[in-house]
Amino acid sequence: AQKVTQAQTEISVVEKEDVTLDCVYETRDTTYYLFWYKQPPSGELVFLIRRNSFDEQNEISGRYSWNFQKSTSSFNFTITASQVVDSAVYFCALSEASLAGNMLTFGGGTRLMVKP
Amino acid sequence: AAGVIQSPRHLIKEKRETATLKCYPIPRHDTVYWYQQGPGQDPQFLISFYEKMQSDKGSIPDRFSAQQFSDYHSELNMSSLELGDSALYFCASSLYSRASGRSSYNEQFFGPGTRLTVL
Repeated sequence: AQKVTQAQTEISVVEKEDVTLDCVYETRDTTYYLFWYKQPPSGELVFLIRRNSFDEQNEISGRYSWNFQKSTSSFNFTITASQVVDSAVYFCALSEASLAGNMLTFGGGTRLMVKP
Repeated sequence: AAGVIQSPRHLIKEKRETATLKCYPIPRHDTVYWYQQGPGQDPQFLISFYEKMQSDKGSIPDRFSAQQFSDYHSELNMSSLELGDSALYFCASSLYSRASGRSSYNEQFFGPGTRLTVL
């Protein structure tokens, strides 16, 4: 069975600080996909990144960066120079390729509060 | 670009009533997923459809049913509503990837959600 754990339920930082959101996953599949979604106060789920299990390259997109390490089953997300607009709940999610429906299993989410 | 459309955006019902939520996927997307997000919770997978056939089933109560129509839109029917059904219901769509044989290679695009309140 697949499982995603986001140990940090809430993080508070001051604007311009760097912050890392942790994500640890469990799966028996060798092929799987990892995702990060952002949910701002308005409620919609905004896709941030998808990573497949064969691609362990770290990725950087502007102020966002992701560190995928299969050895520790982690897919951490770092925001550099955080801004107030980054305040949201961030979800890490997993999809196993063996499942017919490819549904997403979400972690519990991390609420990030960026204070001015 | 066109996104996933959900209607209604907000719905208020009484206990034991029924509700129907609608989802219109992104054009050409053939797979639809339904998720339920309770207050302060993470989204939980309910059910998914590919080409009008149910492809996977999660923690969907027996009181709920869903289907995907020939135009690929989907409806989630909820009967005998309970207070605990109050939640944000998301629909997501994706395009089946013939190269990989699975939809999972393509990210699921989420709609804005329908907020259901049961009084």
